[in-house]
Amino acid sequence: AQTVTQSQPEMSVQEAETVTLSCTYDTSENNYYLFWYKQPPSRQMILVIRQEAYKQQNATENRFSVNFQKAAKSFSLKISDSQLGDTAMYFCAHTGTASKLTFGTGTRLQVTL
Amino acid sequence: EPEVTQTPSHQVTQMGQEVILRCVPISNHLYFYWYRQILGQKVEFLVSFYNNEISEKSEIFDDQFSVERPDGSNFTLKIRSTKLEDSAMYFCASRGYRAQNTEAFFGQGTRLTVV
Repeated sequence: AQTVTQSQPEMSVQEAETVTLSCTYDTSENNYYLFWYKQPPSRQMILVIRQEAYKQQNATENRFSVNFQKAAKSFSLKISDSQLGDTAMYFCAHTGTASKLTFGTGTRLQVTL
Repeated sequence: EPEVTQTPSHQVTQMGQEVILRCVPISNHLYFYWYRQILGQKVEFLVSFYNNEISEKSEIFDDQFSVERPDGSNFTLKIRSTKLEDSAMYFCASRGYRAQNTEAFFGQGTRLTVV
């Protein structure tokens, strides 16, 4: 069974600073995908970034990047130049051959002035 | 931009009543999902649906739950006899052909309150 662990229930960062959210996972599969989803107060789930396990290069999307360490089963999200609109819950998620998403418990990020 | 649409946005129901949550997935998608999020907790998988049948379900998805795609566009989740603990946000999601490596698009959710 896949598990996803987010050990930081809450994080705070000042505007324009950089913050890193941690995620570890466990899987017995070789071919899988990892995602970070953002859930703002509206509670909609919005994809932030994804990483294919077979790719060594870390994914980046504008201010968002990941540090994917396959051997350590670690998948952290770095947000650069944080903006007030980044305030949200962030969920790390895994999908394998079963195609369902397995989510972590989330990290609540607060961006402050 | 195509999107997944869920109705209603908020449903209040009495314990023991049946509810049907509706979803319109993105039109060319083939894989459909329901997830649940109890307030303040993580998002949990309920069921996946492909080729007009359930492909996987979780322990939460017991006999009180059912899904169907009645007309090729809507994807519904029915809870036969609601319990207080069914109160949660329910998300529908859909994926394109290559399920594993494509983004799951989520609807905006239906907040179900059982009183």
